[in-house]
Amino acid sequence: EVQLVESGGGLVQPGGSLRLSCAASGFTFSDYWMNWVRQAPGKGLDWVANINKDGSEKYYVDSVKGRFTISRDNSKNSLYLQMNSLRAEDTAVYYCVRGWGYLDYWGQGTLVTVSS
Amino acid sequence: DIQMTQSPSSLSASVGDRVTITCRASQGISNYLVWYQQKPGKVPKLLIYAASTLQSGVPSRFSGSGSGTDFTLTISSLQPEDGATYYCQKYNSAPWTFGQGTKVEIK
Repeated sequence: EVQLVESGGGLVQPGGSLRLSCAASGFTFSDYWMNWVRQAPGKGLDWVANINKDGSEKYYVDSVKGRFTISRDNSKNSLYLQMNSLRAEDTAVYYCVRGWGYLDYWGQGTLVTVSS
Repeated sequence: DIQMTQSPSSLSASVGDRVTITCRASQGISNYLVWYQQKPGKVPKLLIYAASTLQSGVPSRFSGSGSGTDFTLTISSLQPEDGATYYCQKYNSAPWTFGQGTKVEIK
């Protein structure tokens, strides 16, 4: 069974940093592109970033470029999102999601709240 | 960047009705279009990819069509369990933008 379990969310002040992690199991992690997608409370879905199978290609939505960094460790079956210079508008549930193009497995998400 | 616009933003329909949701891209995206269903408190579920290919396990009452800039998701006979928000998403190139969502309410 495919499982994606996020961790690392919490309350952080504006300008602060957080590192999200996603532990993957039930599939060959190194065979898949991985993504972070977020959803602000009561709002729609917002694709944040993705990374290719070996970590050599990374793409970001403009609103997080220069502030967020996606990475992966295939030896640990783990995906990460380093978030710096956080803003109130980054407040959302962050989902770890498998796939290139169509996103077929989603974690349950971790809530990031940016507030003073 | 390419923008994805869904219409309507919400709709209310009865069980058995045929429901159509539209997604329009601001530039052509060939058939690089996905549809998801999200029920309240749940994670999104993949319904259709490549504009018209039904994901395994998705009921056949769901179908997708379109290419280029205009796409549709059709529910041929609405069921009570179809009450949800539906999102389109393009993936021809980064960023993989989602539409704003269409909320389907069951009368």
